[in-house]
This record gives sequence, structure tokens and C-alpha cells, in this order.
Amino acid sequence: GAVVSQHPSRVICKSGTSVKIECRSLDFQATTMFWYRQFPKQSLMLMATSNEGSKATYEQGVEKDKFLINHASLTLSTLTVTSAHPEDSSFYICSARPGRQGDYGYTFGSGTRLTVV
Amino acid sequence: QKEVEQDPGPLSVPEGAIVSLNCTYSNSAFQYFMWYRQYSRKGPELLMYTYSSGNKEDGRFTAQVDKSSKYISLFIRDSQPSDSATYLCAPRGNDYKLSFGAGTTVTVRA
Repeated sequence: GAVVSQHPSRVICKSGTSVKIECRSLDFQATTMFWYRQFPKQSLMLMATSNEGSKATYEQGVEKDKFLINHASLTLSTLTVTSAHPEDSSFYICSARPGRQGDYGYTFGSGTRLTVV
Repeated sequence: QKEVEQDPGPLSVPEGAIVSLNCTYSNSAFQYFMWYRQYSRKGPELLMYTYSSGNKEDGRFTAQVDKSSKYISLFIRDSQPSDSATYLCAPRGNDYKLSFGAGTTVTVRA
């Protein structure tokens, strides 16, 4: 089945530093990748949508200069949290939409738990 | 008002019971209806999807969609302790963006 690999699974960084999270589709080409943020006991909130070779589209209220998204190829998307602060601590999850017709369900990565100290 | 409303529970049932989960939504443009299961500190995994109104069955799982009342349901028959997880409904329209409910936490007691 479709597999999305997300790394790292857990990261602790100091306030003011930047952190990069990678999301790779291992056995399919991802036309679109989505990035979510999830707070404890809350649902997933969509942050941005990225299409290969295009600029990401950010949801309202998400700072695009803080959360840099790059979708350089059909199998790789990255999220960089720049100048991280403790309030950026959260669970970040990516998902990938295959380009195949009829694929309605998206595959999610296993998530990255970011802690900013 | 949220686009997708889902009772967060928690819901606790004995092993073998039927688990009934549901969501309501407000966006008439939603045409695809997904259910995901999420274990603690993991990414969601797709359980089922349904297009438009109707029922769909897959093993112990049945998904129902009633677009006229904007109501989505998931039933789990013969529930097992391994079904203990958070279940998220996630409808979407043609913009490919999923709108997640809050998730219902289910515990199946052995």
C-alpha cells in the first residue's frame, strides 16, 4: 500500500533555531502534499497545501514566513519551522494525495513531535 | 460554527459491542467522506471512504452518509480492544482539502 515516511519523529530544539521536517512518499508520486498541526486532544488543523514545483498555499492565519514549505519533487515535501518559539511546540503531520484517478483517501505520515525549549 | 462537528467522547464499550460514531457537517460542497483512525502520537490511517450518499461496508466497518441531513456515521461491529483509538471523520469537496472533525476517542474494554 501507499506509504509516507516522515522524519524526524521527534525533535527538541532551542528557541530561535529552525527545524526542518521531511515527508516522502515511498511508493507513489504525490501530486499534492498537505501539512497539518495537531494540539493535544484536538483535531488536525490544515496549515498549507503544496503542489510539486509550485508555491504552497497557506490557510488563513498561518504565517508563511515562519512555516516554509518546499515541494521540490513528486516524492518529497519539507516543512521548515523558522525561528521556533515554545508556542510552535506541537505535533506536525503531512499527508500525500496520489495523482491517480480514483484515489480518494490520502496517506498520512507518522507525525513529528516538535518541542521548543 | 465548525464545518464538521464530532462528539469527542470519550466512548467506552465492552468487547463485542457495536460502536456507533457520527458527525454532522455544514458544507454542501462536500462529496467525499472519509473515516480515519488515529492511535496516540501517530498519523491517521484511512479506514473507509464513501462518495456521496449511501452505505459502504468493509468487514466489521460500515460507513453511512446522508447528504440530505448532512450526517455521517461509522459503525464498528464486534468491537475488539485493538479498535481502541481516536476516530476522525473527514469530508472534503473538490478542492481536495480534508476538513477534520474533533475525533471521538473510543476504548473497547476486554
